[in-house]
Amino acid sequence: DGGITQSPKYLFRKEGQNVTLSCEQNLNHDAMYWYRQDPGQGLRLIYYSQIVNDFQKGDIAEGYSVSREKKESFPLTVTSAQKNPTAFYLCASTRRDTNEKLFFGSGTQLSVL
Amino acid sequence: AQSVSQHNHHVILSEAASLELGCNYSYGGTVNLFWYVQYPGQHLQLLLKYFSGDPLVKGIKGFEAEFIKSKFSFNLRKPSVQWSDTAEYFCAVNRGGGSYIPTFGRGTSLIVHP
Repeated sequence: DGGITQSPKYLFRKEGQNVTLSCEQNLNHDAMYWYRQDPGQGLRLIYYSQIVNDFQKGDIAEGYSVSREKKESFPLTVTSAQKNPTAFYLCASTRRDTNEKLFFGSGTQLSVL
Repeated sequence: AQSVSQHNHHVILSEAASLELGCNYSYGGTVNLFWYVQYPGQHLQLLLKYFSGDPLVKGIKGFEAEFIKSKFSFNLRKPSVQWSDTAEYFCAVNRGGGSYIPTFGRGTSLIVHP
C-alpha cells in the first residue's frame, strides 16, 4: 500500500541533544512538508521541499534542519537550538498540483526528558 | 503574511444538531481551500476542497462548505451531526502563486454527545 511512514512514533530528547525524525513516502510525490502540531495552535509549517535537493524554510524553521537527498525521504532534525521541542510532528506529501490534497503520516510525538 | 482564522476552537453539540464551523483567510489572490479532519487516533484526512466552479462543495460523510469570495470565507456545515463526527477539524488555504504551500488554521475540536 502507498503511503507515508513516520518513525519513531514516540521520541524522547535530552537537553542539548539533536534528534532526527524520519519520513518516507512511496507515493512518488515531489513535494514534502513538515508541520508541528501544538494543542490550540493548529499545524505550523517548519520546512518544505518541492523537489529533490531543494528545501525552503516555513514559518517556524528556527531550531530545525532538513535534507532532501532522495525523492522518497525528508528527515527532520530537531537541534539543541530548538528550546521548546515538545510537540507532535507531522510529515506530509503531495504531487505539487495545486488542487491536490496533502497526504499525512501518522506523526511523531517528541518529548523532552 | 497570509493567515487562516478558525473562529470556534471548541464546539460541543448533541447528536442531530446542525454544525457550522467558520474559516476566514487573509490572502487576496486566487486560493485553493481545504477542510481536513483528524479523528481520534487517525491520520489527518481530506474532508473536502474547493479550487474553482460551484462555490458550494460537498465532501465525505455529509459535510459541505461554501466559498464566499467577498467575505474571504470557507465555512464548513453539516445539517445533522453524529457521535462519529467527534474530531478535530482544520481549515487550510493554499498560497498559490505556482507553489503549493498550505497554511492551516488553529483547528476546531468538535465533541458530539450521543
